[in-house]
Amino acid sequence: AQKITQTQPGMFVQEKEAVTLDCTYDTSDPSYGLFWYKQPSSGEMIFLIYQGSYDQQNATEGRYSLNFQKARKSANLVISASQLGDSAMYFCAMREGRGDGGSQGNLIFGKGTKLSVKP
Amino acid sequence: DGGITQSPKYLFRKEGQNVTLSCEQNLNHDAMYWYRQDPGQGLRLIYYSQIVNDFQKGDIAEGYSVSREKKESFPLTVTSAQKNPTAFYLCASSIPGRDGYTFGSGTRLTVV
Repeated sequence: AQKITQTQPGMFVQEKEAVTLDCTYDTSDPSYGLFWYKQPSSGEMIFLIYQGSYDQQNATEGRYSLNFQKARKSANLVISASQLGDSAMYFCAMREGRGDGGSQGNLIFGKGTKLSVKP
Repeated sequence: DGGITQSPKYLFRKEGQNVTLSCEQNLNHDAMYWYRQDPGQGLRLIYYSQIVNDFQKGDIAEGYSVSREKKESFPLTVTSAQKNPTAFYLCASSIPGRDGYTFGSGTRLTVV
């Protein structure tokens, strides 16, 4: 079964508008972390934002915010005031804990959403 | 500046040849990882290493081999046993914590 599901293969957004990229996850581990990465056409993976399973507040980093709904197992990325440079692939990823609070599992990635920002 | 260096950026391989992809980091990270990326498939884990002289298979290790003789280096060999090696390969490193992984800029391998 897929652990990370991104249901939007592609999205379009008008410049300066906000956009939400969907991500749902599946885990039975109470301790986990959720990540969003941006991959421009050059290929490098750029870390955007992190949400821990025990964090009380939704994470925010500049124009990026994470809409974390734990009961629904959803971790959607919201990009406010889109810019042309936001056009890229966006990947949601999860890192499960080991349950003992110690070492963590490896990052598991979704298949990504291609965001295109229109001028 | 600290980071991860992957080389070469582009690599061409003839069928039946082994090729080695380089990954070097100066972040003092203990853990290193190799991922393969195909169009529409996201990233899939090939091998990972939590400490020097130790490594484990990921989800798609068949046809690949690695070594971890130094903390800074985690080279990946794509062997002739890998039937479909054309892909984009990403190396990453990490420490336990909130920041996930740091990635290199990738190597694009093409079989000719």
